[in-house]
Amino acid sequence: DTEVTQTPKHLVMGMTNKKSLKCEQHMGHRAMYWYKQKAKKPPELMFVYSYEKLSINESVPSRFSPECPNSSLLNLHLHALQPEDSALYLCASSQPTRGRAYNEQFFGPGTRLTVL
Amino acid sequence: AQSVTQLGSHVSVSEGALVLLRCNYSSSVPPYLFWYVQYPNQGLQLLLKYTTGATLVKGINGFEAEFKKSETSFHLTKPSAHMSDAAEYFCAVRPRVGSNYKLTFGKGTLLTVNP
Repeated sequence: DTEVTQTPKHLVMGMTNKKSLKCEQHMGHRAMYWYKQKAKKPPELMFVYSYEKLSINESVPSRFSPECPNSSLLNLHLHALQPEDSALYLCASSQPTRGRAYNEQFFGPGTRLTVL
Repeated sequence: AQSVTQLGSHVSVSEGALVLLRCNYSSSVPPYLFWYVQYPNQGLQLLLKYTTGATLVKGINGFEAEFKKSETSFHLTKPSAHMSDAAEYFCAVRPRVGSNYKLTFGKGTLLTVNP
């Protein structure tokens, strides 16, 4: 199974709502990532988890709260978002990268988020 | 800091024609180099990568790329375009030392294939 799944596919929320995005992989990967992608732009890294611990936070606003409850799951909790947060949110996973080794990141299909 | 430049935000070719998507990087030490493809409403898929060894790299779907250190380039080619190749293509780099997780992406090139 070389698939990363993300739910929901689409999400519309108001600025006062609380919602969560979910990502799952069963490839035994121990690194998981959240990216944000605006239309016609490349993905921007938000967070990296390595062995279920937050490894990188790219100065993301606190209204985005990641969680890695186990090695297969990654959540992104959303609260009090702004319309400019509307984007495609991509999850990815890989084997942890050490030293000069490179391990391919496998991407999910994304969640299209619209904030009204 | 390293950066990636993709020349041409939009490339249009006829079906059966050569595809050439350009990518140049800037860093003092050659990084790891990647090409990703993104079809509409989908995530990214790795086409090919250069880490070490042979500088001509073959990927999926008939694509290949050549690492040229003297030109700091990693251009993507395909001899004959197919309608199904229409997508957004991103060149990306990762440093060989330092941060091991961060990919720096180019701005992307939208490839359209005309019948």
